[in-house]
Amino acid sequence: QQPVQSPQAVILREGEDAVINCSSSKALYSVHWYRQKHGEAPVFLMILLKGGEQKGHDKISASFNEKKQQSSLYLTASQLSYSGTYFCGTGVDSNYQLIWGAGTKLIIKP
Amino acid sequence: NAGVTQTPKFRVLKTGQSMTLLCAQDMNHEYMYWYRQDPGMGLRLIHYSVGEGTTAKGEVPDGYNVSRLKKQNFLLGLESAAPSQTSVYFCASSSGRANTQYFGPGTRLTVL
Repeated sequence: QQPVQSPQAVILREGEDAVINCSSSKALYSVHWYRQKHGEAPVFLMILLKGGEQKGHDKISASFNEKKQQSSLYLTASQLSYSGTYFCGTGVDSNYQLIWGAGTKLIIKP
Repeated sequence: NAGVTQTPKFRVLKTGQSMTLLCAQDMNHEYMYWYRQDPGMGLRLIHYSVGEGTTAKGEVPDGYNVSRLKKQNFLLGLESAAPSQTSVYFCASSSGRANTQYFGPGTRLTVL
């Protein structure tokens, strides 16, 4: 069952904040966040593991609520370089597969 | 250190033709994956491997076969291509189950 990402798309002005959500109907072991620019391969942002942790680097951070089976990606003071499609990949226990969301398209305007 | 490479980058096939996509990684990763990505959709796992000589089915394995004869290489085969297999194919590798997946640049395949 594919995780549900919301919103599907968002348009921001440079410097504004964004939140992207990823919800699963299954109990999760891990949540992976990637960004993909048009015509390129997905690039790793961060992984969150079971335990309800929060991670971040620079102005991009994420949280993982194990009980709610969801993760949120926070982008603060967005930059033009943040534009792209953000995907979450969810992993469950004893399974090597990641199931990916359909993506959230983020457009940053000057 | 090239990371993950894929060949070819582009290919056009006619229905019924066969082809093999090659993925190579130089990071000594145990795990390798083949995904397909269709417009407006996320990545869907076709097959994966947890080590040399092993393969397993993913979410959408029908119409594809794979082999992992060497640790650094993971081949994806289409025996009889169909228009529904038109897609962008990504290979990825990782050092562990919950570890970062590193993606190749992708192969854009069109089946006419």
